[in-house]
Amino acid sequence: DIQMTQSPSSLSASVGDRVTITCRASQYISSHLSWYQEKPGKAPKLLIYAASSLQSGVPSRFRGSGSGTDFTLIISSLQPEDFATYYCQQGYSVPWTFGQGTKVEI
Amino acid sequence: QVQLVQSGAEVKKPGSSVKVSCKASGGTFSSHAINWVRQAPGQGLEWMGGTIPIFGTANYAQKFQGRVTITADESTNTAYMDLSSLRSEDTAVYYCATLSGWGNWFDSWGQGTLVTVSS
Repeated sequence: DIQMTQSPSSLSASVGDRVTITCRASQYISSHLSWYQEKPGKAPKLLIYAASSLQSGVPSRFRGSGSGTDFTLIISSLQPEDFATYYCQQGYSVPWTFGQGTKVEI
Repeated sequence: QVQLVQSGAEVKKPGSSVKVSCKASGGTFSSHAINWVRQAPGQGLEWMGGTIPIFGTANYAQKFQGRVTITADESTNTAYMDLSSLRSEDTAVYYCATLSGWGNWFDSWGQGTLVTVSS
């Protein structure tokens, strides 16, 4: 199975901050990488797919980059509604696997 | 984009089974890969398996092989996840989600179903 490792596990930030979350795959996954946002009591929401493509309706302050084994999610200017937990997921080979999550706190 | 609505919360005894449903609307149900992902309390997301209704086949994570069955009924646009031999560690929120694209991303999600396993 492909292991996905996110860092950091949690971070504290303020409104307006630039936030960077990284995700590393245990083996090559090309650009088969997605990012999700999860808020308490809600289903995960797709933000970024194919490593860098913005899902329809997602604000442009979210940006994804990377390929191969190393990926990054950047929130350029953190907004109050962005405080949540973020997960990466590889879609290169079954079983599809997720990172452990990064909690973004105030 | 497909909308997914799941069945309600369940409380089950250890050793029993649970069947969670996921009804799709607003898209071509048969051609979508319907998958199931679960999240134990305070934990991350875990893929369980999925099916493509038009093909009538399913694949499962090794961890759940032999305990989970994922099916779909094209006549009602509904997918099901049946998990047997329940134990306390199966207490979790279970989500259905559509798997899309060449990169296999989950683009539509159900609202989640809490399954509590307790004696």
